[in-house]
Amino acid sequence: DAGVIQSPRHEVTEMGQEVTLRCKPISGHNSLFWYRQTMMRGLELLIYFNNNVPIDDSGMPEDRFSAKMPNASFSTLKIQPSEPRDSAVYFCASSSKHTGGDEAFFGQGTRLTVV
Amino acid sequence: AQSVAQPEDQVNVAEGNPLTVKCTYSVSGNPYLFWYVQYPNRGLQFLLKYITGDNLVKGSYGFEAEFNKSQTSFHLKKPSALVSDSALYFCAVRARMDSSYKLIFGSGTRLLVRP
Repeated sequence: DAGVIQSPRHEVTEMGQEVTLRCKPISGHNSLFWYRQTMMRGLELLIYFNNNVPIDDSGMPEDRFSAKMPNASFSTLKIQPSEPRDSAVYFCASSSKHTGGDEAFFGQGTRLTVV
Repeated sequence: AQSVAQPEDQVNVAEGNPLTVKCTYSVSGNPYLFWYVQYPNRGLQFLLKYITGDNLVKGSYGFEAEFNKSQTSFHLKKPSALVSDSALYFCAVRARMDSSYKLIFGSGTRLLVRP
C-alpha cells in the first residue's frame, strides 16, 4: 500500500482565496483525521471521521474551515476564505481497529502558505 | 479530560549515551499509549505502543518505552543514542469517542543528539 496520500504537498495562495486540501486514506481504514501543525500551537486535531461520518469537529477553528468525506477513499479540507494565520502544515491520518493496534498512519502533509 | 503532557521542549544528549523523553498521561480507564517520531518535512511515523501486557514495550529503531501506571508515565528510552535519532517526538493517548477513537497528542519534544 502506498500509505496515506495527500495533495498538494505545497500550496501558496493569496489571502481571501479558497484552498482545498485532499487526502486518500489507506485502503480498508475506517477512521480519518485532519491535523494542523504550527510552531505556536503544535499538533492540533481539527476533525475526524469514522466510516465517512464526521464524529468530532470541535477542533475546526471557525466557519471558514470545512471538511468532507464523500466516500471511504477520499476526504477534503477546505478553507474559504483563507487568511495568513491559516499558514501551517496540514496532516491527514487514517487508522483502523482491524490493524490490531489503532495506531494512525500519517501522510506527508500539505504545507500551506497564505500571503 | 483525557490528555498527555510532554514536559520537555527539547532534550540534548551525546551520541552513544542513553536517552529518555518524558511523557505523562491522564485518561479514564486503561490507557492506550503511543510514541511517534517526526523527521523534518515529513509526517509522523509510528514508533511503538502500549495496550496491555509487559510494561516495557519495544519498538522501531531500537526505541523502547516503559509504562508506569502508578506514575501515569510512558517515557521513551534508548540505550545508545544516534545522531540520526535527532527529530521531534510525540507521545499520544487514545481517547474513546462513542464507537470510535481518536489520538490526542502531546506538544512534542525535540531530541538533539550531538556527535
